[in-house]
Amino acid sequence: GDSVTQMEGPVTLSEEAFLTINCTYTATGYPSLFWYVQYPGEGLQLLLKATKADDKGSNKGFEATYRKETTSFHLEKGSVQVSDSAVYFCALRVREGAAGNKLTFGGGTRVLVKP
Amino acid sequence: DAGVIQSPRHEVTEMGQEVTLRCKPISGHNSLFWYRQTMMRGLELLIYFNNNVPIDDSGMPEDRFSAKMPNASFSTLKIQPSEPRDSAVYFCASREDYASTDTQYFGPGTRLTVL
Repeated sequence: GDSVTQMEGPVTLSEEAFLTINCTYTATGYPSLFWYVQYPGEGLQLLLKATKADDKGSNKGFEATYRKETTSFHLEKGSVQVSDSAVYFCALRVREGAAGNKLTFGGGTRVLVKP
Repeated sequence: DAGVIQSPRHEVTEMGQEVTLRCKPISGHNSLFWYRQTMMRGLELLIYFNNNVPIDDSGMPEDRFSAKMPNASFSTLKIQPSEPRDSAVYFCASREDYASTDTQYFGPGTRLTVL
Protein backbone atom coordinates (compact mmCIF):
# COMPACT_ATOMS: atom_id res chain seq x y z
CA GLY A 1 0.00 0.00 0.00
CA ASP A 2 0.85 3.67 -0.10
CA SER A 3 2.98 5.01 2.72
CA VAL A 4 4.97 8.07 3.76
CA THR A 5 7.97 8.02 6.06
CA GLN A 6 9.37 11.17 7.56
CA MET A 7 12.06 11.82 10.09
CA GLU A 8 11.04 11.70 13.70
CA GLY A 9 11.27 14.80 15.79
CA PRO A 10 11.47 16.86 17.65
CA VAL A 11 13.87 18.96 15.69
CA THR A 12 15.22 21.84 17.75
CA LEU A 13 16.94 24.72 15.98
CA SER A 14 18.13 28.21 16.67
CA GLU A 15 16.64 31.12 14.78
CA GLU A 16 18.17 31.64 11.31
CA ALA A 17 19.40 28.04 11.15
CA PHE A 18 18.86 25.82 8.11
CA LEU A 19 16.04 23.32 8.33
CA THR A 20 15.69 20.01 6.50
CA ILE A 21 12.95 17.47 7.11
CA ASN A 22 13.34 14.24 5.19
CA CYS A 23 10.36 12.55 3.57
CA THR A 24 10.27 9.40 1.45
CA TYR A 25 7.27 7.62 0.01
CA THR A 26 6.01 4.38 -1.42
CA ALA A 27 3.10 4.53 -3.81
CA THR A 28 1.37 2.69 -6.60
CA GLY A 29 0.82 4.96 -9.53
CA TYR A 30 2.11 8.47 -9.84
CA PRO A 31 1.28 10.48 -6.72
CA SER A 32 1.03 14.17 -5.98
CA LEU A 33 3.11 15.17 -2.96
CA PHE A 34 2.33 17.68 -0.24
CA TRP A 35 3.68 19.29 2.87
CA TYR A 36 1.14 20.38 5.47
CA VAL A 37 1.90 22.43 8.58
CA GLN A 38 0.06 22.40 11.90
CA TYR A 39 0.58 25.34 14.23
CA PRO A 40 -0.22 24.83 17.92
CA GLY A 41 -3.92 24.48 18.57
CA GLU A 42 -4.88 24.59 14.89
CA GLY A 43 -5.79 22.25 12.08
CA LEU A 44 -3.43 21.34 9.28
CA GLN A 45 -2.95 23.72 6.39
CA LEU A 46 -1.26 23.21 3.05
CA LEU A 47 2.28 24.56 2.93
CA LEU A 48 3.32 23.48 -0.56
CA LYS A 49 2.81 20.78 -3.14
CA ALA A 50 4.27 19.20 -6.29
CA THR A 51 2.43 17.13 -8.84
CA LYS A 52 5.14 15.66 -11.07
CA ALA A 53 8.77 14.65 -11.04
CA ASP A 54 11.30 17.48 -10.68
CA ASP A 55 8.58 19.98 -9.73
CA LYS A 56 9.58 22.28 -6.90
CA GLY A 57 6.93 23.48 -4.50
CA SER A 58 7.63 26.65 -2.54
CA ASN A 59 5.87 28.87 -0.03
CA LYS A 60 6.87 31.13 2.88
CA GLY A 61 10.56 30.43 2.25
CA PHE A 62 10.05 26.65 2.34
CA GLU A 63 10.92 24.48 -0.66
CA ALA A 64 10.62 20.83 -1.61
CA THR A 65 11.50 19.06 -4.86
CA TYR A 66 9.70 15.96 -6.13
CA ARG A 67 12.44 13.38 -6.71
CA LYS A 68 11.01 10.35 -8.43
CA GLU A 69 14.35 8.52 -8.65
CA THR A 70 14.78 8.58 -4.88
CA THR A 71 11.03 8.68 -4.06
CA SER A 72 11.66 11.67 -1.83
CA PHE A 73 10.17 15.10 -1.12
CA HIS A 74 12.43 16.70 1.48
CA LEU A 75 11.38 20.01 3.01
CA GLU A 76 13.96 22.78 3.39
CA LYS A 77 14.13 26.34 4.64
CA GLY A 78 17.27 28.40 4.62
CA SER A 79 16.65 30.55 7.69
CA VAL A 80 13.98 29.58 10.18
CA GLN A 81 12.11 31.89 12.50
CA VAL A 82 10.49 31.29 15.86
CA SER A 83 7.13 31.49 14.09
CA ASP A 84 8.05 28.36 12.08
CA SER A 85 7.69 26.26 15.22
CA ALA A 86 5.03 23.73 14.27
CA VAL A 87 4.43 20.13 13.27
CA TYR A 88 5.11 19.37 9.61
CA PHE A 89 3.41 16.52 7.76
CA CYS A 90 4.46 15.03 4.44
CA ALA A 91 1.62 13.48 2.45
CA LEU A 92 0.82 11.89 -0.88
CA ARG A 93 -2.29 11.56 -2.99
CA VAL A 94 -2.68 8.91 -5.65
CA ARG A 95 -4.27 10.48 -8.68
CA GLU A 96 -6.30 7.72 -10.22
CA GLY A 97 -9.73 6.53 -9.16
CA ALA A 98 -11.97 7.29 -6.23
CA ALA A 99 -9.08 6.68 -3.84
CA GLY A 100 -7.35 9.65 -5.42
CA ASN A 101 -9.10 12.01 -3.04
CA LYS A 102 -7.54 10.42 0.00
CA LEU A 103 -4.29 11.72 1.48
CA THR A 104 -1.75 9.39 3.06
CA PHE A 105 0.15 11.24 5.78
CA GLY A 106 3.50 10.66 7.39
CA GLY A 107 3.81 10.66 11.15
CA GLY A 108 4.64 14.35 11.42
CA THR A 109 7.83 16.10 12.55
CA ARG A 110 7.71 18.59 15.36
CA VAL A 111 10.02 21.58 14.85
CA LEU A 112 10.94 23.95 17.66
CA VAL A 113 12.82 27.12 16.82
CA LYS A 114 14.44 28.90 19.72
CA PRO A 115 15.32 32.61 19.68
CA ASP B 1 -15.48 31.99 3.32
CA ALA B 2 -15.57 30.96 6.97
CA GLY B 3 -13.62 27.79 6.34
CA VAL B 4 -14.50 24.39 7.75
CA ILE B 5 -16.51 24.77 10.92
CA GLN B 6 -16.45 22.22 13.69
CA SER B 7 -18.40 22.08 16.91
CA PRO B 8 -17.92 21.82 19.74
CA ARG B 9 -14.29 22.89 20.00
CA HIS B 10 -13.89 21.09 23.30
CA GLU B 11 -15.90 18.23 24.76
CA VAL B 12 -15.44 16.57 28.11
CA THR B 13 -17.62 13.59 28.85
CA GLU B 14 -17.75 10.52 31.01
CA MET B 15 -17.13 6.99 29.85
CA GLY B 16 -20.26 5.40 28.45
CA GLN B 17 -21.83 8.62 27.26
CA GLU B 18 -22.74 9.34 23.66
CA VAL B 19 -20.67 11.99 21.91
CA THR B 20 -21.60 13.77 18.67
CA LEU B 21 -19.12 15.87 16.76
CA ARG B 22 -20.30 18.18 14.01
CA CYS B 23 -18.78 19.55 10.84
CA LYS B 24 -19.82 22.07 8.24
CA PRO B 25 -17.61 21.85 5.15
CA ILE B 26 -16.71 24.75 2.91
CA SER B 27 -19.57 25.54 0.55
CA GLY B 28 -19.10 23.87 -2.82
CA HIS B 29 -16.72 21.22 -1.56
CA ASN B 30 -17.86 17.71 -2.36
CA SER B 31 -15.38 15.58 -0.41
CA LEU B 32 -15.38 15.42 3.38
CA PHE B 33 -12.92 13.66 5.67
CA TRP B 34 -12.89 12.83 9.38
CA TYR B 35 -9.49 12.38 11.07
CA ARG B 36 -8.38 11.53 14.58
CA GLN B 37 -5.08 12.77 16.01
CA THR B 38 -3.36 11.36 19.08
CA MET B 39 0.20 11.41 20.34
CA MET B 40 0.46 7.65 20.13
CA ARG B 41 -1.07 7.02 16.71
CA GLY B 42 -0.57 10.33 14.95
CA LEU B 43 -3.10 11.44 12.33
CA GLU B 44 -5.56 8.74 11.25
CA LEU B 45 -8.21 8.95 8.54
CA LEU B 46 -11.45 7.59 9.95
CA ILE B 47 -13.87 8.00 7.06
CA TYR B 48 -14.19 9.82 3.76
CA PHE B 49 -17.37 10.97 1.98
CA ASN B 50 -17.71 12.00 -1.64
CA ASN B 51 -20.91 13.72 -2.73
CA ASN B 52 -22.42 12.76 0.66
CA VAL B 53 -21.74 9.05 0.13
CA PRO B 54 -19.29 7.17 2.36
CA ILE B 55 -16.46 5.97 0.14
CA ASP B 56 -13.95 4.57 2.59
CA ASP B 57 -14.69 3.82 6.24
CA SER B 58 -11.85 1.38 6.77
CA GLY B 59 -10.33 3.65 9.39
CA MET B 60 -13.35 3.64 11.68
CA PRO B 61 -12.01 1.86 14.75
CA GLU B 62 -15.08 -0.16 15.72
CA ASP B 63 -18.84 -0.27 15.78
CA ARG B 64 -18.99 2.35 18.48
CA PHE B 65 -18.08 4.91 15.83
CA SER B 66 -20.52 6.03 13.15
CA ALA B 67 -20.58 8.93 10.70
CA LYS B 68 -23.28 10.47 8.59
CA MET B 69 -23.53 13.13 5.94
CA PRO B 70 -27.22 13.85 5.39
CA ASN B 71 -26.53 16.75 3.02
CA ALA B 72 -23.67 18.60 1.40
CA SER B 73 -23.32 21.10 4.22
CA PHE B 74 -23.31 18.93 7.32
CA SER B 75 -21.69 15.82 8.75
CA THR B 76 -21.61 14.16 12.15
CA LEU B 77 -19.28 11.72 13.84
CA LYS B 78 -20.87 9.84 16.71
CA ILE B 79 -19.25 7.71 19.39
CA GLN B 80 -21.57 5.55 21.45
CA PRO B 81 -20.60 4.51 24.05
CA SER B 82 -17.46 6.58 24.51
CA GLU B 83 -14.33 5.21 26.17
CA PRO B 84 -11.25 6.93 27.63
CA ARG B 85 -9.13 5.66 24.72
CA ASP B 86 -11.29 7.75 22.37
CA SER B 87 -9.75 10.90 23.84
CA ALA B 88 -8.15 12.72 20.93
CA VAL B 89 -8.46 15.71 18.65
CA TYR B 90 -10.92 15.03 15.84
CA PHE B 91 -10.52 16.99 12.62
CA CYS B 92 -12.90 17.44 9.75
CA ALA B 93 -11.56 18.45 6.33
CA SER B 94 -13.19 19.22 3.01
CA ARG B 95 -12.03 19.40 -0.56
CA GLU B 96 -13.33 20.46 -3.94
CA ASP B 97 -12.69 17.74 -6.49
CA TYR B 98 -10.73 18.72 -9.61
CA ALA B 99 -10.01 22.18 -8.28
CA SER B 100 -6.65 23.63 -9.16
CA THR B 101 -5.92 24.20 -5.50
CA ASP B 102 -5.88 20.40 -4.96
CA THR B 103 -5.87 20.56 -1.19
CA GLN B 104 -7.89 19.53 1.79
CA TYR B 105 -8.98 22.34 4.09
CA PHE B 106 -8.97 21.39 7.74
CA GLY B 107 -11.22 22.65 10.48
CA PRO B 108 -9.84 23.74 13.87
CA GLY B 109 -10.64 20.38 15.45
CA THR B 110 -12.65 19.13 18.40
CA ARG B 111 -10.65 18.13 21.45
CA LEU B 112 -12.47 15.23 23.09
CA THR B 113 -11.69 14.08 26.61
CA VAL B 114 -13.42 10.97 27.91
CA LEU B 115 -13.05 10.54 31.65
